[in-house]
This record gives sequence, C-alpha cells and structure tokens, in this order.
Amino acid sequence: GMPVEQNPPALSLYEGADSGLRCNFSTTMKSVQWFQQNHRGRLITLFYLAQGTKENGRLKSTFNSKERYSTLHIKDAQLEDSGTYFCAAETSSGQKLVFGQGTILKVYL
Amino acid sequence: GGIITQTPKFLIGQEGQKLTLKCQQNFNHDTMYWYRQDSGKGLRLIYYSITENDLQKGDLSEGYDASREKKSSFSLTVTSAQKNEMAVFLCASRRGDQDTQYFGPGTRLLVL
Repeated sequence: GMPVEQNPPALSLYEGADSGLRCNFSTTMKSVQWFQQNHRGRLITLFYLAQGTKENGRLKSTFNSKERYSTLHIKDAQLEDSGTYFCAAETSSGQKLVFGQGTILKVYL
Repeated sequence: GGIITQTPKFLIGQEGQKLTLKCQQNFNHDTMYWYRQDSGKGLRLIYYSITENDLQKGDLSEGYDASREKKSSFSLTVTSAQKNEMAVFLCASRRGDQDTQYFGPGTRLLVL
C-alpha cells in the first residue's frame, strides 16, 4: 500500500467546529511535517515533529512513531483555515519526505 | 529569516523543448529539493542534493536533470517537455537532517 495514507480526503466544517486529520504510515518514520497549502499554492509549514505532541494556537499535532501515525487537530475552525493540508513523513533511511495525498478542508459560515 | 525564490513563476513550453527552472535560497541550508505537484495531488520528489555538487534521485527523476551549482542554488531541467503537461514544481531547502523543510512559491508549467 501507500507509504503515507492520509484521511479524510476532504472535510467540511462550520466555523467554530473542531476536527482532526490523520496520517498512517506503512513503516516506521523518523519525523513528520504538516503543511497547509493556500489558494495560491504556497506551502506553509505548520509543524515538524520527531516525537510527541506540539501545539500552536488552535492547532495541535501528535506523532507516534511506534504506532505509525500522526494527527493534526484543528480547534474552533475559522474561514482562513480553508485549504489543503498535507502530512509528509521522513523515512528512517534518508533525507526524503514522502507526502500524503492531502485533505481538502473547507470552512463555512 | 530567509527566503526561497523560484524563477520563472510561470513557464509555457512547446512539446519536446528543454526547459530549466531555477531555485535560490538564502537560509544557508545544506539540503535542497525539487518536487512536482499535479493538480489535486500530493508532492512527489524528483531530485535532491545534500551539499554543493551532490545529486540524489527521487522517485520521479526520469525525464529530468538537476544541478547544484553552489550551496544557495539548485536548478531543474525538464529534458523533453511532454505535450499537455501541466504541473507545479516546488523547490524546498532544509538545514540538516532533523529540521523543517521550507518551500518556495513554485513554478507553474504548461506545455502546449
């Protein structure tokens, strides 16, 4: 299967709602990054994790290398959170990132 | 802080043409990357370079060449553009092997 499986492929939220995205890995990964891609195509780094949990404002991300998954949780969704979210994991063998297929998030009033 | 610049922003080519895309970073990062993103899809690695004059193939290297002329710049060549090809090429850089990758704004390619 795919080395990085990202779910869901698409997500619709009302403003103020909470939700989560998840990436499962087929093998043990060294680290994970989460990105938001805006409407102009620009990739913005949200988190880099080698282990554990990080929080930044309304966003929280967890990486469990042993259980082979990572999550991104969005709290109190805002219109500007709309975009495509990607997880990307680094394999243990090298400096390459393997990307998930992305989650298209739309936030509505 | 630093910045990654990619030129050109838009590139229109003809079938069979050789096309070169350029990337510059002033982070003083060691490693640089070229990715391709097709519409609605994730990124796929074409080439990367861990230091000046180094070159490593990614999963999508066929049909491309790359060159790391100096630490701050990494160029990508499409050796023979395919008709109706449309994609965004993203350049990234990273300081070491335990750090975030930072991305440039992308070059949008259209082949007529």
